[in-house]
Amino acid sequence: SQTIHQWPATLVQPVGSPLSLECTVEGTSNPNLYWYRQAAGRGLQLLFYSVGIGQISSEVPQNLSASRPQDRQFILSSKKLLLSDSGFYLCAWNSGGAHLTQYFGPGTRLTVL
Amino acid sequence: DQQVKQNSPSLSVQEGRISILNCDYTNSMFDYFLWYKKYPAEGPTFLISISSIKDKNEDGRFTVFLNKSAKHLSLHIVPSQPGDSAVYFCAAIWGNEKLTFGTGTRLTIIP
Repeated sequence: SQTIHQWPATLVQPVGSPLSLECTVEGTSNPNLYWYRQAAGRGLQLLFYSVGIGQISSEVPQNLSASRPQDRQFILSSKKLLLSDSGFYLCAWNSGGAHLTQYFGPGTRLTVL
Repeated sequence: DQQVKQNSPSLSVQEGRISILNCDYTNSMFDYFLWYKKYPAEGPTFLISISSIKDKNEDGRFTVFLNKSAKHLSLHIVPSQPGDSAVYFCAAIWGNEKLTFGTGTRLTIIP
């Protein structure tokens, strides 16, 4: 069966520090991968998605970037965190094609101080 | 531009009664709809989905209804249980497989 992992679960970082959040999927090949942020009153906002290694699409301009160095690994990064980057970050995957349902990881709570 | 809207931020329902969560959308191109349930500090879990070629899909206590002419879908939970207390997100998708989420409705089941 497929599982999706995210780490760390929680993170507290000072403003201006770098960020690296990792997401990995097990039990599937060539998944579509997604990064979301949950913000109060705004639901789940799609940040990035990837349909393959090295292929990243950005949905909103922001202080963050994403990379996909391996088939089942998706990384969310920042060179310098802002206070506004605080939030709950979720990684999701689906099989693509006719499989439209996305499955989410447990999330990372990021607090920027 | 919020293409998927959940106009009720919260809903309280007595245990054992029916919970009805509503969702409206504006993009007529959406052809697949999903409901997710989310507990605090956890990722959303998939509940149920419906294709635009159907008007109803049922899975146990959960039923999703789709009214394409009204661009409206609803999730019915019956009977409601305390463990159903969570935030519920509806989401819609078309073509390029990017989900568009609503803002969520917090459901509280009163024992």
